[in-house]
Amino acid sequence: GAVVSQHPSWVICKSGTSVKIECRSLDFQATTMFWYRQFPKQSLMLMATSNEGSKATYEQGVEKDKFLINHASLTLSTLTVTSAHPEDSSFYICSARDQARFNEQFFGPGTRLTVL
Amino acid sequence: RKEVEQDPGPFNVPEGATVAFNCTYSNSASQSFFWYRQDCRKEPKLLMSVYSSGNEDGRFTAQLNRASQYISLLIRDSKLSDSATYLCVVYPPFNSGGYQKVTFGTGTKLQVIP
Repeated sequence: GAVVSQHPSWVICKSGTSVKIECRSLDFQATTMFWYRQFPKQSLMLMATSNEGSKATYEQGVEKDKFLINHASLTLSTLTVTSAHPEDSSFYICSARDQARFNEQFFGPGTRLTVL
Repeated sequence: RKEVEQDPGPFNVPEGATVAFNCTYSNSASQSFFWYRQDCRKEPKLLMSVYSSGNEDGRFTAQLNRASQYISLLIRDSKLSDSATYLCVVYPPFNSGGYQKVTFGTGTKLQVIP
């Protein structure tokens, strides 16, 4: 149990393109999901906290108009990288919080984004 | 002081060795603590929760020291497959706005050598 899927796994796109990443909790309900970014050899950096039915909470330095988050249901959150640039190339990982399991977070497999 | 701090390592240990990592946190009111394992170019995977009473799972033991504000992870009889980066995760209390910022440590890299 506690499986989180993420789609797509790999994205290569041209500069200026918008990219949408989906994060789904497959066997539990997640009122809270998190979006992280990880650059090579660096730690996970929390970008935003996504709350079902309300606006996401963005971390300092993360542009909410560039990284659009929608958490429309208890099992789905989406991150859209708008007008992507090469510096947005990174490993984007979502996690979902299962409140039934002492608030443990379960991670999706990540999306590797390369912007040319 | 950083919210969560870990020694980045790398820790290079021979097979069969016992190795321990610490993770310090700054918010004394932090509520929940976890250890995650991340393999290269993969997502983090939950290793174990850290309880006030300590937590043991096979060769792995996690402990919490609230007085000194750190958590620890002990790995006994290290295997080659234990080579990975170990991340500590700290859940602070909710703020007045109902927001709880979960913080990851930067990770400690472990390399088990044959």
